[in-house]
Amino acid sequence: LAKTTQPISMDSYEGQEVNITCSHNNIATNDYITWYQQFPSQGPRFIIQGYKTKVTNEVASLFIPADRKSSTLSLPRVSLSDTAVYYCLGTNAGNMLTFGGGTRLMVKP
Amino acid sequence: DTGVSQNPRHKITKRGQNVTFRCDPISEHNRLYWYRQTLGQGPEFLTYFQNEAQLEKSRLLSDRFSAERPKGSFSTLEIQRTEQGDSAMYLCASISEGNTEAFFGQGTRLTVV
Repeated sequence: LAKTTQPISMDSYEGQEVNITCSHNNIATNDYITWYQQFPSQGPRFIIQGYKTKVTNEVASLFIPADRKSSTLSLPRVSLSDTAVYYCLGTNAGNMLTFGGGTRLMVKP
Repeated sequence: DTGVSQNPRHKITKRGQNVTFRCDPISEHNRLYWYRQTLGQGPEFLTYFQNEAQLEKSRLLSDRFSAERPKGSFSTLEIQRTEQGDSAMYLCASISEGNTEAFFGQGTRLTVV
């Protein structure tokens, strides 16, 4: 199972772009890189997933270099409601999801 | 609402009592997962079903824990002889065949007093 390493916490201010980097040195060839967001007292929610290069959706962008040993979640122009814990996982169909400790993002006014 | 539903949302029980939680996954999602989460930690995997078959169990799942998914639809997680260390949020997630996006319920928060 891919072990992931993320910063424990990050602080930002409203309107700024936030980049959270995750290391996954031993990610398997057939694993995707998936990010989840979790608010207090709620279950995690899927944000974005990618295999290589860049993926963008209405919420975030995900940058994955060619060696796939790391990935960066980019949240453009964060607001207070983006305060949450963000988890990076290596996933593939049929495997259980293994969560690390995540990154606690605090967005300040 | 067609999301993952968990009941009850909160449960307070006395040490030594048995508790049972229910998870209703998204219809036709064949994979169902149970996780436990304590304050400040990420979710920890407990067990996984594909349809009605329980395919994997974590070592965290002691003999006091049992999970079922009898008809491949809803699932129950029972904890016997609860201990204070069982206090946590219990999360259920479901995934459709061939996909990796998991849909989580809002969890059941268990407090053992």
